[in-house]
Amino acid sequence: DQQVKQNSPSLSVQEGRISILNCDYTNSMFDYFLWYKKYPAEGPTFLISISSIKDKNEDGRFTVFLNKSAKHLSLHIVPSQPGDSAVYFCAASLNSGYALNFGKGTSLLVTP
Amino acid sequence: DTGVSQDPRHKITKRGQNVTFRCDPISEHNRLYWYRQTLGQGPEFLTYFQNEAQLEKSRLLSDRFSAERPKGSFSTLEIQRTEQGDSAMYLCASSMGNQPQHFGDGTRLSIL
Repeated sequence: DQQVKQNSPSLSVQEGRISILNCDYTNSMFDYFLWYKKYPAEGPTFLISISSIKDKNEDGRFTVFLNKSAKHLSLHIVPSQPGDSAVYFCAASLNSGYALNFGKGTSLLVTP
Repeated sequence: DTGVSQDPRHKITKRGQNVTFRCDPISEHNRLYWYRQTLGQGPEFLTYFQNEAQLEKSRLLSDRFSAERPKGSFSTLEIQRTEQGDSAMYLCASSMGNQPQHFGDGTRLSIL
């Protein structure tokens, strides 16, 4: 039972443009959300998180938006760079510090 | 600042054999988590420890799996009587309290 869904397996964006990665969840009890980035042969690397009391969190080129009523979050990367090419995982948990539920990931390719 | 360390990086074994993996978390992180990732999927939660106490186990953790964190520092994950379906990447993560989880690079298990 996939409680976190990333419906786009892949995304291709030109360098300098905005990348938007989407994530939907089904469990209304989730209140902590994270994005991880993964390169081949490496473990996931934490990017950015947001708690349910906020609707936006920004860190440099990365912004996460949360729409609780729609059970939807998105990650915006502006401007996109070739080094951003990786698999991005959305994750959610009942509270920070608890087990994470991951989506299947979206493979982002940023082309020069 | 060393990250989460996992050993070995790769393990090839015959079906029916026992295997043990080790995870060394980031120093002073009191929480330690184990996940499993198969091809095309996101990481799936297996179990987590707070200090030496195992606080949660997923239903994915069959009775052939056992995890320990004897002194609240490193952890081991043992799989007894391995099966083909155990082939996966086993990921360890650690966190300090409610901070985001930081992952190691994983142990890739291949069952012949």
